[in-house]
Amino acid sequence: QVQLQQSGPGLVKPSQTLSLTCAISGDSVSSSTAAWNWIRQSPSRGLEWLGRTYYRSNWYHDYAVSVEGRITINPDTSKNQFSLHLDSVTPEDTALYYCAEGRDAFDIWGHGTMVTVSS
Amino acid sequence: DIQMTQSPSSLSASVGDRVTITCRASQNINTYLNWYQQKPGKAPNLLIYAASSLQSGVPSRFSGSGSGTDFTLTITSLQPEDFATYYCQQFYSTPPVAFGQGTKLEI
Repeated sequence: QVQLQQSGPGLVKPSQTLSLTCAISGDSVSSSTAAWNWIRQSPSRGLEWLGRTYYRSNWYHDYAVSVEGRITINPDTSKNQFSLHLDSVTPEDTALYYCAEGRDAFDIWGHGTMVTVSS
Repeated sequence: DIQMTQSPSSLSASVGDRVTITCRASQNINTYLNWYQQKPGKAPNLLIYAASSLQSGVPSRFSGSGSGTDFTLTITSLQPEDFATYYCQQFYSTPPVAFGQGTKLEI
């Protein structure tokens, strides 16, 4: 079955870039039916969808307005994974970050990575 | 953007009780609504898809109903493992995906 394995640092300094990776097993990042998402969760903002990447003959990306301009989600076909890069982070970006698969519903989730933004 | 509002935000109940959680959308979303269960330290788990379709492996004591703007998640005969936080999520108009703020079900 499909599994997602997250990796990345748990502590990021303010103004720096948060970078996380989600490795996929049991499916392909280039699947024409899948969508690969990043979602975060914090007490103040609840569950917040950040964005997704998906392949439909071409690569597409959608991002939440709240982080647009700071976020990049990239597929890596050579490693069958996708990544999240969030620039210019502030303490408000402190959250539990999840990767998840799904277009309409999220039925496969990574284990989550707690990221704290602090100097 | 579509906003999702759940009520109540928390709920106390006992084993064996029947409980209902409500989710309201800020505009008509047909039946494009999902329900998730989240236990402490775990990622959310998809329970119900498209308002009323139970995911494989989810006990039949869980059910979902509604269409348009008003939806309910019902749990009959609460079991100890059902005490968790529940979220709704719309997929009528995406992006963006929108979640409700959650309902914490406590003993």
